Amino acid sequence: DVKVTQSSRYLVKRTGEKVFLECVQDMDHENMFWYRQDPGLGLRLIYFSYDVKMKEKGDIPEGYSVSREKKERFSLILESASTNQTSMYLCASSLPPGWAQPQHFGDGTRLSIL
Amino acid sequence: RKEVEQDPGPFNVPEGATVAFNCTYSNSASQSFFWYRQDCRKEPKLLMSVYSSGNEDGRFTAQLNRASQYISLLIRDSKLSDSATYLCVVTYNQGGKLIFGQGTELSVKP
Repeated sequence: DVKVTQSSRYLVKRTGEKVFLECVQDMDHENMFWYRQDPGLGLRLIYFSYDVKMKEKGDIPEGYSVSREKKERFSLILESASTNQTSMYLCASSLPPGWAQPQHFGDGTRLSIL
Repeated sequence: RKEVEQDPGPFNVPEGATVAFNCTYSNSASQSFFWYRQDCRKEPKLLMSVYSSGNEDGRFTAQLNRASQYISLLIRDSKLSDSATYLCVVTYNQGGKLIFGQGTELSVKP
């Protein structure tokens, strides 16, 4: 079974802090994704990566950056956290090609920015 | 217009009922289709892929209508454990992103 592990289930940070969300997958998947999920808005793609050191902007990349130094790890960075970034963050991974393969999700991180 | 649209529900049905969800998509170049299930405060999990010829997995049947650009999910003999939000997912070969619908909430009552 694919295991996608997110570093924290719940996280509380303050406005202006730099926040790191970590995601690790154990199935040697090339593709990794970061989403946020908000009531009424569904899942929205922030960034994704098809390979080590590669990254692509999703639909809402503003205020975020990512890092993929190793194949199994994909980090999401909130450069200067703001209250509108309070959300549920979900990491996912998949085999290539991304358009044909289902994604496997981590448990999610509920992030609150105060 | 949203790329993938679903009736948000909630659908409240008694145990044993048959319930159907529809999902429409706007991009005719869409190539792959999935249904995911998401329980309250949990991550989405793949329920089933949707194939052009339609496919069945136990009590669940998925169908695709490319001409009308919609997919459907039919659940027969509903169980209490089927209560969840069902997400329609579409992809097309432009970067390989999955496009999620907002989900349809199902509540199965005793």
